[in-house]
Amino acid sequence: SQQGEEDPQALSIQEGENATMNCSYKTSINNLQWYRQNSGRGLVHLILIRSNEREKHSGRLRVTLDTSKKSSSLLITASRAADTASYFCATDDNAGNMLTFGGGTRLMVKP
Amino acid sequence: DGGITQSPKYLFRKEGQNVTLSCEQNLNHDAMYWYRQDPGQGLRLIYYSQIVNDFQKGDIAEGYSVSREKKESFPLTVTSAQKNPTAFYLCASSISGNGIGIQYFGAGTRLSVL
Repeated sequence: SQQGEEDPQALSIQEGENATMNCSYKTSINNLQWYRQNSGRGLVHLILIRSNEREKHSGRLRVTLDTSKKSSSLLITASRAADTASYFCATDDNAGNMLTFGGGTRLMVKP
Repeated sequence: DGGITQSPKYLFRKEGQNVTLSCEQNLNHDAMYWYRQDPGQGLRLIYYSQIVNDFQKGDIAEGYSVSREKKESFPLTVTSAQKNPTAFYLCASSISGNGIGIQYFGAGTRLSVL
């Protein structure tokens, strides 16, 4: 079963707009990660946020984590056509042995 | 040039045939993982290995087998028992077997049935 579920499943925006993707999970976690996947390629790690952190920034990326609501959001500011990709959240299991990935949000940024 | 290499990029399987997907890493990572991705879906864990000569089943291990005889290699065999093998297969590695680490992915192998 998938620990994380992304919302929305698909998002289409214009270049320059902000894109927000949400992730909800079911059980307690040690950390939550966001990954990006270009079509037909492997995943690339974007950012990791620990359970005791509430917000983290990396360039145009901003991630928030609300452990009381078991949810996280990924904000991409000033989007570019090159940001077109699928974005996945991933959470660790209680034993810390593996990651569980959500179904992903497919982002399309129109030039 | 460090990273994870998966081969082949495309693979075709005939009915009743076993096929093996290769995954090699030169990152000196202890842990390696195999995932299956169906179209428009997320990743599902097939097998993982936290250390050489040891591996554990993931969520969808039936019809698959692995070995971890060397630290840098973690091949996946799709057996004839896997009745629906058509999918995109991704291999990943992380520094330690502790799942809270960042995972690094290969470019994937796309498997189709003839």
